[in-house]
Amino acid sequence: AQSVTQPDIHITVSEGASLELRCNYSYGATPYLFWYVQSPGQGLQLLLKYFSGDTLVQGIKGFEAEFKRSQSSFNLRKPSVHWSDAAEYFCAVGALNRDDKIIFGKGTRLHILP
Amino acid sequence: DGGITQSPKYLFRKEGQNVTLSCEQNLNHDAMYWYRQDPGQGLRLIYYSQIVNDFQKGDIAEGYSVSREKKESFPLTVTSAQKNPTAFYLCATRPTRGVYGYTFGSGTRLTVV
Repeated sequence: AQSVTQPDIHITVSEGASLELRCNYSYGATPYLFWYVQSPGQGLQLLLKYFSGDTLVQGIKGFEAEFKRSQSSFNLRKPSVHWSDAAEYFCAVGALNRDDKIIFGKGTRLHILP
Repeated sequence: DGGITQSPKYLFRKEGQNVTLSCEQNLNHDAMYWYRQDPGQGLRLIYYSQIVNDFQKGDIAEGYSVSREKKESFPLTVTSAQKNPTAFYLCATRPTRGVYGYTFGSGTRLTVV
């Protein structure tokens, strides 16, 4: 079955510390992968995506993610978080065909300590 | 600016009422989606449409209905058959060619009073 797992429901880090949010997926076809961010009461904004090529992808707001096929993972990282990064983060997976739908994980809420 | 407009931002429904949530886009995207978001449950797909005059049920379509008469518009009706409609509703669009993620609207929060 196709699925996306974000094992951490909540994560708390101190401002200026590094961040890694975990994402594991199960998908039969060659996947393409996304990370989205959502501020309270808002829609989701695309941070970055991976389809092929370099397994380390750069996104907006200083985020990056690394695709590891052998581990079925696509973890999101940031070297130094800012208070404005506090939000909910969603990993998502899809496939390149007309009828595909993107499957979302349940999200990880990031809290930042001052 | 191109984007997705969801209206209203807040909506209150009485028991037994039908309400319609609006989603309009000027991105010229073919595919449109409706998701429901509840705390701790992520996004659940209600309905989606890949082309005008065609749409498919998602994972939780019961108690909802949609139409796609125009490419730009994909309204969602929450009917009285939906027993627990209080949630945050998100509309999204995507081109049907190429590797693109979804573009999301800013959402409508529906509350039953």
